[in-house]
Formats: sequence, C-alpha cells, structure tokens
Amino acid sequence: AQTVTQSQPEMSVQEAETVTLSCTYDTSESDYYLFWYKQPPSRQMILVIRQEAYKQQNATENRFSVNFQKAAKSFSLKISDSQLGDAAMYFCAYRSYSTDKLIFGTGTRLQVFP
Amino acid sequence: DSGVTQTPKHLITATGQRVTLRCSPRSGDLSVYWYQQSLDQGLQFLIQYYNGEERAKGNILERFSAQQFPDLHSELNLSSLELGDSALYFCASSDAPNTEAFFGQGTRLTVV
Repeated sequence: AQTVTQSQPEMSVQEAETVTLSCTYDTSESDYYLFWYKQPPSRQMILVIRQEAYKQQNATENRFSVNFQKAAKSFSLKISDSQLGDAAMYFCAYRSYSTDKLIFGTGTRLQVFP
Repeated sequence: DSGVTQTPKHLITATGQRVTLRCSPRSGDLSVYWYQQSLDQGLQFLIQYYNGEERAKGNILERFSAQQFPDLHSELNLSSLELGDSALYFCASSDAPNTEAFFGQGTRLTVV
C-alpha cells in the first residue's frame, strides 16, 4: 500500500524568505502523480502544484517549485518570497495512475512572520 | 468555486443518530472521493467511487457506507454516530488520474 509522510508538523518563515516543506512517499508503482495542496483557515483545499512521475523536470508555478527525486521517493515544496497569505496547512498527496487512489500526508502547518 | 457541491455545510446531531452527506461532483467528473478530517488532523481517505462502482476503500468504519448514483452524485451515510465522528467531511472529484482533484467546501459534522 502506498503511504505519504510529512515529517515536519510545523514550519515557520519570515516574509520574503524561502522555505522548503518535505514529503516522502512509499510505492511500488512506476506511474503516479504527486500534488501539494494548501488548506488556509477557511479549510478549503487548494491545489498548489502537481508533478507527473514520468517527468524528470521539476514542476514550477510562480513562487512555488518542487524538488522531485523519484529514486529517493522524495517530493519537497519550495516557497520563494514567502507572503503572509502563504500561511496555511500544506498537504502532500500521492495519486496512483492504476487505481486512481488519492492519499494525503498528515500535513505541515506553515506560519509566515512579518 | 471548485464546482463540487456538498450539502449540508453544517450538521449537528446526537449520538446514536444517522446522517447522510451529499456530494455533487463537477460536471463530467466520474471519480468521487470521500475524506474525513478531524480537528487539526490530516485527511483520512474513506472511500472512492468511479462511475458508480466502488474503486478503493480506506479506513472507513463499518458504521459508514457510501454510494454513487447513476447521475454521479454521491452520498456518505454515517450511522450509530459517536462523539469521535465529529469532523469535517470532504468530497472531491476528478475526471482522470493525471488531473487535479477538486474539493468541495466540506460538511462540518458535530455529534453532541
């Protein structure tokens, strides 16, 4: 069975600085997708970025980028130029290509200080 | 607006009761997922349906059941409710494994 692990329950960063959130996963599949979702205090789940496992190039969306290491089964999220609005829970997620099952890690709470 | 609609938004009920949570997926999405999120916890995968058929099962209690109807909406039934079932229940939908899963705003269930 696939598992997703986020080992950092809480992280903090100063406004305009850079922070990296860690995520590791375990799977025996070769085809899958990885996502980072953000959950602000409103509790709405918002997609931040996604990565296809077959792509070697790391995904980037504006200030958000990932470091995808397939062999190490690692999928970290880097937030550059952090803003107060980035404060939220961040969830790493794994999605199986074969079964379509979507599972989440336990989340990292990010605090952003002015 | 994600296009996924969950009703009701809030539900307060007593222990031992039964409730039904409803989810209408985005138009055209065949996959529906249900998750439970207790206070300050992660999202626990409950169950997934694809085009009316159960596709995957997570840590769903026997007191809980779900189904997806021909019009693709889904219902999550929770029975013999306990205080510990109080949580935010999310529904998500998608049309393919390589696309984003869109989440509803959740149903907040409080069992008193």
